[in-house]
Amino acid sequence: QKEVEQDPGPLSVPEGAIVSLNCTYSNSAFQYFMWYRQYSRKGPELLMYTYSSGNKEDGRFTAQVDKSSKYISLFIRDSQPSDSATYLCAMSPDSWGKLQFGAGTQVVVTP
Amino acid sequence: DAGVTQSPTHLIKTRGQQVTLRCSPKSGHDTVSWYQQALGQGPQFIFQYYEEEERQRGNFPDRFSGHQFPNYSSELNVNALWLGDSALYLCASSPGGGLLGYTFGSGTRLTVV
Repeated sequence: QKEVEQDPGPLSVPEGAIVSLNCTYSNSAFQYFMWYRQYSRKGPELLMYTYSSGNKEDGRFTAQVDKSSKYISLFIRDSQPSDSATYLCAMSPDSWGKLQFGAGTQVVVTP
Repeated sequence: DAGVTQSPTHLIKTRGQQVTLRCSPKSGHDTVSWYQQALGQGPQFIFQYYEEEERQRGNFPDRFSGHQFPNYSSELNVNALWLGDSALYLCASSPGGGLLGYTFGSGTRLTVV
């Protein structure tokens, strides 16, 4: 069993819809949780960074962490075709920068 | 301000050969981490360099080695290449080894034939 599980998709939504993404994990030591966006042939780009449990909002993006359930989510409101990409969750037990990634979910936003 | 720069962008090697990939960190960053991303998978942590020493290592064999130079740039070396090493190799830099400001380069696409 992988430490971080993420549905690979693809997830197809119409423009303007809410995109809902999630990851589950097994290592209770994880304290830092991140969401990255990766376009084809590019490196991952950080979208959201959360420490421990709780919610965090940044523009159209909302990240939620539920450590009791070992479950994290990312919501994208008012989705745009430019949001079409692969979304990766990542987590770490400490701040030293060794990230454990999920497999990524491919999102397609259709006009 | 240049971000993380990786070279080359693409590379084709034959099984059994050796390869060296290079990474220049973002200005102000002193820590470099390397990841391997197979097609359709998330990045897998290879190792991290800080103050010219390997500080952390993932589950990769000794065929994977690295180096960090005094200017904080880094190299990833892979010996005895096999087909399974074909992947996108990503470099990420950060200040002080932490997660804040963690920035990825666009990667080097390695194909082993």
